[in-house]
Amino acid sequence: AQRVTQPEKLLSVFKGAPVELKCNYSYSGSPELFWYVQYSRQRLQLLLRHISRESIKGFTADLNKGETSFHLKKPFAQEEDSAMYYCALRGYNNNDMRFGAGTRLTVKP
Amino acid sequence: DTGVSQDPRHKITKRGQNVTFRCDPISEHNRLYWYRQTLGQGPEFLTYFQNEAQLEKSRLLSDRFSAERPKGSFSTLEIQRTEQGDSAMYLCASSLARGGPGTDTQYFGPGTRLTVL
Repeated sequence: AQRVTQPEKLLSVFKGAPVELKCNYSYSGSPELFWYVQYSRQRLQLLLRHISRESIKGFTADLNKGETSFHLKKPFAQEEDSAMYYCALRGYNNNDMRFGAGTRLTVKP
Repeated sequence: DTGVSQDPRHKITKRGQNVTFRCDPISEHNRLYWYRQTLGQGPEFLTYFQNEAQLEKSRLLSDRFSAERPKGSFSTLEIQRTEQGDSAMYLCASSLARGGPGTDTQYFGPGTRLTVL
């Protein structure tokens, strides 16, 4: 079964501090992992995916198959990073996207 | 705005009534997805279409739910005999799948918030 766990519902950091949003998953095959973000009053949008191995808005995430994790990291948080972040998993060759419950990140000035 | 659009944005109905939501995907996107999101949870997959064919349905999609995408463009999601537990945000997403893993990005609509009294 596909499952995504985001252990922190709320995370608060000060501007300029490093931030890490945790995501753990369970899936028996080869997963595709994603991070989606929802800013206030905006729609859900893709932030990054593991297959692209890219950095978006200073965020990176590395797929760790041994620890079944896909934590999202940014070395210096900005106030505009405050948003709801969802980790999501899609199994290879299927389209059933599973989302975690989300972590609300607040970056304080 | 060329993004995914959903109509209506809000719907309040009484228990037992039928409701229908519409989703207009990004033009030429061949895949269309429906999700449901309840308070404090992430979106839950309901169903998806490849063009006009409904290829996958979640166990969450009871007999009271039906979705169509008649011409492979817009889609409708109908809930019959609504229950209070159906109160949620219903999200639509579309993507252009060219094949292979990680090739399609889902673009989400603003959602339709359903309240069943």
